[in-house]
Amino acid sequence: DQQVKQNSPSLSVQEGRISILNCDYTNSMFDYFLWYKKYPAEGPTFLISISSIKDKNEDGRFTVFLNKSAKHLSLHIVPSQPGDSAVYFCAAIYNNNDMRFGAGTRLTVKP
Amino acid sequence: KAGVTQTPRYLIKTRGQQVTLSCSPISGHRSVSWYQQTPGQGLQFLFEYFSETQRNKGNFPGRFSGRQFSNSRSEMNVSTLELGDSALYLCASSLVGSRYEQYFGPGTRLTVT
Repeated sequence: DQQVKQNSPSLSVQEGRISILNCDYTNSMFDYFLWYKKYPAEGPTFLISISSIKDKNEDGRFTVFLNKSAKHLSLHIVPSQPGDSAVYFCAAIYNNNDMRFGAGTRLTVKP
Repeated sequence: KAGVTQTPRYLIKTRGQQVTLSCSPISGHRSVSWYQQTPGQGLQFLFEYFSETQRNKGNFPGRFSGRQFSNSRSEMNVSTLELGDSALYLCASSLVGSRYEQYFGPGTRLTVT
């Protein structure tokens, strides 16, 4: 059951521009959302998170937006850098117990 | 502090065989979770161990099993391998099982032929 969906398997962006990665979820009980970044041959690393009581969280070049009514999550990277090229996974948690991941979006930032 | 380590990093097995994967968590972490990553499916939760007890289990057949030792190291076993078991198997550790702060290992790439 795909409770967390990342409908774009890949995204290509020019260096310096904005990257927007999207994530949709179906379970309204999710109360915490995270983004992970994964480089080849490495495990996913935590990037940024947001609680369901907020609609925005910012950390440097990374901002996560949450639209609960639309059950939609997005990650903005501004400005994008070649080193940001990786696979990005969104994840949703319910009650610190059930955690679901999206299928991932491969971001390529071209110099 | 050393990160999560997984061995072996790569493994090739044939259908019907069984395999054991190992995960050493970050020192002090007592929770270890296992995930299967396949193209198009993302990370799917297999199970979580905490203090040598399985605390949560995902929706995988009984061929997938695991255990945790007193030093928090964990092993995952897959019996009667099928072609569809080919995947990257990731383990993640956390202090007390918090989903909010998991640290992932590099994974074991299993290929079943």
